[in-house]
Amino acid sequence: DAGVIQSPRHEVTEMGQEVTLRCKPISGHDYLFWYRQTMMRGLELLIYFNNNVPIDDSGMPEDRFSAKMPNASFSTLKIQPSEPRDSAVYFCASSLVAGQGRTEAFFGQGTRLTVV
Amino acid sequence: AQKVTQAQTEISVVEKEDVTLDCVYETRDTTYYLFWYKQPPSGELVFLIRRNSFDEQNEISGRYSWNFQKSTSSFNFTITASQVVDSAVYFCALSGGLNTGTASKLTFGTGTRLQVTL
Repeated sequence: DAGVIQSPRHEVTEMGQEVTLRCKPISGHDYLFWYRQTMMRGLELLIYFNNNVPIDDSGMPEDRFSAKMPNASFSTLKIQPSEPRDSAVYFCASSLVAGQGRTEAFFGQGTRLTVV
Repeated sequence: AQKVTQAQTEISVVEKEDVTLDCVYETRDTTYYLFWYKQPPSGELVFLIRRNSFDEQNEISGRYSWNFQKSTSSFNFTITASQVVDSAVYFCALSGGLNTGTASKLTFGTGTRLQVTL
């Protein structure tokens, strides 16, 4: 299996621009997560989906952030407009159905976002 | 609310030394899962182990071992005979049990940076 695939790996954008991060989860996984990692706040969960439906978006910092999962194999995280404080590494992760007890999440390689 | 504390910010050891990374957790759930992840310098997060709160047996995998003690709410990770390739940031994480609705929602600690030198 190819694992969780994120694109782009690096993104540099100017303040005010729209940024879209993309994720392809592991086939067969029912949960998809978006995490953000910064030095100040560590790893924080932004939002997660179960069977393409957003379950908990309480970690989304502001209305500038939005996430979608149009199908089981694709998700996007969009920031519009972007600000310098959004600079971070954004991770996408996926996991199997919780009922199977194998709840560990597998992470993509992350997208390093720099907003200047 | 769930909380994971990794009090050791950074640890430096010389190759072949044993090292233990501490993890203390807080949860009100009666069932829960504990995890360890490794983040090498390349940046990806690598899953190492999952432990169910019902299972307090220690686990060994090669040079890695984990000590789960429910009485002290700890889930410590020991690397035996450390190697330079073990240099990474290690994260402990916690999620709710299967009956809590939060089984897939990970709460991470702040991580411990391990530096192994020759």
